[in-house]
Amino acid sequence: AQSVAQPEDQVNVAEGNPLTVKCTYSVSGNPYLFWYVQYPNRGLQFLLKYITGDNLVKGSYGFEAEFNKSQTSFHLKKPSALVSDSALYFCAVGSNTGGFKTIFGAGTRLFVKA
Amino acid sequence: KAGVTQTPRYLIKTRGQQVTLSCSPISGHRSVSWYQQTPGQGLQFLFEYFSETQRNKGNFPGRFSGRQFSNSRSEMNVSTLELGDSALYLCASSYQNTGELFFGEGSRLTVL
Repeated sequence: AQSVAQPEDQVNVAEGNPLTVKCTYSVSGNPYLFWYVQYPNRGLQFLLKYITGDNLVKGSYGFEAEFNKSQTSFHLKKPSALVSDSALYFCAVGSNTGGFKTIFGAGTRLFVKA
Repeated sequence: KAGVTQTPRYLIKTRGQQVTLSCSPISGHRSVSWYQQTPGQGLQFLFEYFSETQRNKGNFPGRFSGRQFSNSRSEMNVSTLELGDSALYLCASSYQNTGELFFGEGSRLTVL
């Protein structure tokens, strides 16, 4: 079975400061890991993914994520936060066993203060 | 390229009624997944279809069902609605098994 945990309900950061949104996962076999963002009253938008290769993945809007196999983590990072980054962020893990299934974490709300 | 289209965007039903939601995936995408989003439970996986076949199913009662047509469009149906079915229902399409999901704007269902 696959699962993903986002330990923080909310992350607060000042504009211009670096941000980190945490995620840990559990899956049998090789993980397919994703980050999505959701703005109010909208569907989710894909940010980045890790399937294989370099542990540091770069994505949309200046976001990046670091895959750490030993810690089973996939934290989302950005060097300098913007007020417009304020949104709900979801970590997700995919499994390709018997058809693809993506499971989402509970989400972390990011507030960036000007 | 048009995105994922979900209809209707908003609907209100009463307990005991049934509802059908529609999803048109991005052209060329053959996989369609459905999710239920609520404030308390987050995003819960309902089911995934590929080439008209349900490949995966989440832990929802049999009142929740779906299907996919030959043109990859998908519908989900909820029968005998309960108050707890009030949620945002999201559809997502994908081009390949390891690919990212492309989400629609969702159908917000309110059950009174």
